[in-house]
Amino acid sequence: DIQMTQSPSSMSASLGDRVTITCRASQDIGNYLSWFQQKPGKSPRRMIYGATNLAAGVPSRFSGSRSGSDYSLTISSLESEDMAIYYCLQSIQYPRTFGGGTKLELK
Amino acid sequence: QVQLQQSGAELVKPGSSVKISCKASGYTFTSYDMHWIKQQPGNGLEWIGWIYPGNGNTKYNQKFNGKATLTADKSSSTAYMQLSSLTSEDSAVYFCAGHMAYWGQGTLVTVSS
Repeated sequence: DIQMTQSPSSMSASLGDRVTITCRASQDIGNYLSWFQQKPGKSPRRMIYGATNLAAGVPSRFSGSRSGSDYSLTISSLESEDMAIYYCLQSIQYPRTFGGGTKLELK
Repeated sequence: QVQLQQSGAELVKPGSSVKISCKASGYTFTSYDMHWIKQQPGNGLEWIGWIYPGNGNTKYNQKFNGKATLTADKSSSTAYMQLSSLTSEDSAVYFCAGHMAYWGQGTLVTVSS
């Protein structure tokens, strides 16, 4: 199975900060990488697909990038509604595997 | 708009089975794969498998072979997941997700005697 190592597991940041979360894949996954946001008691919401594509309705302060086997989700200017847990997902191979999650909290 | 409406919470006894439903609306049900994901309390997300309602093809995470069975009813645009031989380890919230883009609200399954 492909392992998705996500870092950090948790972080705190201030409103307006630029925040970056990273996932590293144990094998080549090309651009088959998505990012999800999950708020307490809610279903996950897809934010990014194909490593860099913004999902419909997602604010433009969110972006995705890739550098080799490292994939990043960046929030350019943190807002209070962005506090959540973020997960990455690889979809090139079965079984699909998620990263362990990054809990983003307000400092 | 696209909606996935899942069935309600279940309290079931160890060793029994449960069948969860996921009714799709707002898109062509047979055109997109339907995934199922498990989330234990306080834990991350685990992919169970998917079904392609157009032809009934399925793909499972080996970990859930024999545990989960995915089916779909095209006439009612509803996907189902049956979980069998339930233990406390199966207590979790289960999500359906169309093409991983549209998610149901989740169904809580609690296994307890």
